[in-house]
Amino acid sequence: QSVLTQPPSVSAPPGQKVTISCSGSSSNIGDHYVSWYQQVPGTAPKLLIYDDNKRYSGIPDRFSGSKSGTSATLGITGLQTGDEADYYCGVWDHSLSAEVFGGGTKLTVL
Amino acid sequence: QVHLVQSGAEVKKPGASVKVSCKASGYTFTAYYIQWVRQAPGQGLEWIGWINPNSGDTKFAQKFQGRVTMTSDTSISTAYVELSRLKSDDTAMYYCTRSSPLDYWGQGTLVNVSS
Repeated sequence: QSVLTQPPSVSAPPGQKVTISCSGSSSNIGDHYVSWYQQVPGTAPKLLIYDDNKRYSGIPDRFSGSKSGTSATLGITGLQTGDEADYYCGVWDHSLSAEVFGGGTKLTVL
Repeated sequence: QVHLVQSGAEVKKPGASVKVSCKASGYTFTAYYIQWVRQAPGQGLEWIGWINPNSGDTKFAQKFQGRVTMTSDTSISTAYVELSRLKSDDTAMYYCTRSSPLDYWGQGTLVNVSS
């Protein structure tokens, strides 16, 4: 069981929008910056969003991050088949003194 | 351009140790921490710990305390993670990544623990 809770899967048609939630607690999301990663199976994770809502270099503005209280959200608009991947949230947890990740969300663009 | 290049796949028996390397290039090695993250087959990401190559300071996840060692050699811009007393559930892809944030990742090193 992950410290951060993500939905196992989300899906939407091409061109549409999807959001992926990441729920934590006051010791992690509530007190520290959240990052989001995209992982195509068989490859290393890739940083999309850091510091809750900053897009990493080269990441299109179709990707956005937001946070409220102890939950964070990744939004993807204008879905493309190339967006199919697993998405992970990650954040420092000061109670555990560890970086923690969500269990991952598989995005299907159908 | 920044690159993190990891050593090749390893097959180990239970109880053995494994040491994975991560060679950095394209940036000042001592200016960024190196973190290690692993991913068991079909599972999510699991943080192992970090090393500050500038000072040698380390921090590990509780579950790896006493079983993990992280070192770095600044002369060759390389970080290492060594995991001892391997068990079958240590079978995973091991990644090094630069931080913070975790912006550049190595290609991964598959460690297979099997009798």
